Order: sequence, then structure tokens, then C-alpha cells
Amino acid sequence: GAGVSQSPSNKVTEKGKDVELRCDPISGHTALYWYRQSLGQGLEFLIYFQGNSAPDKSGLPSDRFSAERTGGSVSTLTIQRTQQEDSAVYLCASRYTGQFMNTEAFFGQGTRLTVV
Amino acid sequence: AQKITQTQPGMFVQEKEAVTLDCTYDTSDQSYGLFWYKQPSSGEMIFLIYQGSYDEQNATEGRYSLNFQKARKSANLVISASQLGDSAMYFCAIIFNQFYFGTGTSLTVIP
Repeated sequence: GAGVSQSPSNKVTEKGKDVELRCDPISGHTALYWYRQSLGQGLEFLIYFQGNSAPDKSGLPSDRFSAERTGGSVSTLTIQRTQQEDSAVYLCASRYTGQFMNTEAFFGQGTRLTVV
Repeated sequence: AQKITQTQPGMFVQEKEAVTLDCTYDTSDQSYGLFWYKQPSSGEMIFLIYQGSYDEQNATEGRYSLNFQKARKSANLVISASQLGDSAMYFCAIIFNQFYFGTGTSLTVIP
């Protein structure tokens, strides 16, 4: 596709359930980022994938959060045993990281997660 | 440690006036990139402008320009001739390995 695609766009889940959020980056983009944005707040870094390197997981808030990126393309963010404080918009971004630093990150439209 | 600081949670500007949104950063690296993004109420993140640490001239993109002061570690966004459609959240970001975003500034353009 032409842009970063995230699915679902909206997800309502019951407290305690597991959820999976999907991100399809732009083809050829080697870097992929997940962020969380609570209402009216900034972007909270969660995890960063770069090529075949080990991901930077330093932003994951707890061990209930995990993410993987298969084949250097699609990524899935999994939240286990969801809590109400997990309610937020989850944004995915991808970026081409060749020899140049001046490549912007392209963002998906986000997944709005509501835990009830 | 905080990498990017945006000290203005909210700003107001009269339509057609210019406005400056502040951004300071903290790094010991010599090579880095600075970005500004706009997030309207629809939620999408829109790339506005980029400044590389070795760029000698301030970046400009249409009505957007970046006042880059490397020694002061600041990269303020200047929007000239503000329009009603400029009302949005604005985020400054720095790239090392990953993107670090500031907390954002909410800009409201007053007719």
C-alpha cells in the first residue's frame, strides 16, 4: 500500500482480555516504531525495530506488552490481560533508514483501544 | 532522561500573524536530525519540516521555517501567516536510533 496501515482502527475489549494490534509498514522501510498516545497527551515510545537487529523494547510499560515483526515487515503489538489504563491510541510508524538521516517517519492512522 | 522539551503546552495566535513554537533538546551526539510534526484533531501525524545537525542553513518549507540554534540546542518552529487550519498539536522530535518526541504544543489560531 501507499502508506502505513494499522488494524483494527478501533478496538473495544473487556478488562483482562488479550488484544493484538497490527501494523503494515511502507514497503522497504527498515525501521518500525510503536507509540502510545493517551487523550490530549504526547507520544509515548513503546518499541523500535530496525532491520534484523534486536528490537529496542525499552519503552514497553510492563511485561503484559510485547511486539514482534515478522520478515522485517508486518508488526504485531500484543497486550495481555488488558487494564483500563491501557486505553489509548496506539500509533505505528515506519521509516526508511538508508545512509541518510533526513527521512521522516510515516505514521499510520492509529488503533484506538478502549478497555471496559 | 528527557531528550526533547516543549515548554509551551498551549499557544494562541491571530490569523495571518506569525507564531514561534519552542523546542529544545539534549544530546551529546554531533550527528542527529530534528523534525516537526503536526497532529490535527483528526489524529493523523503530518510531517512538516526537517533540520539536520550539520545543515548550515535553517530549513524552510513553505510557511514553515525552523530557527535552528545548535549551540543553544534549540529548534523552534516558525509558522508565518497563520491560517485557521494550522490549529493543531505540534510535536518536535529528534532522531538518534529511534524518534524521541516532545510533549507537544497545542496551537489555536484565532480568526
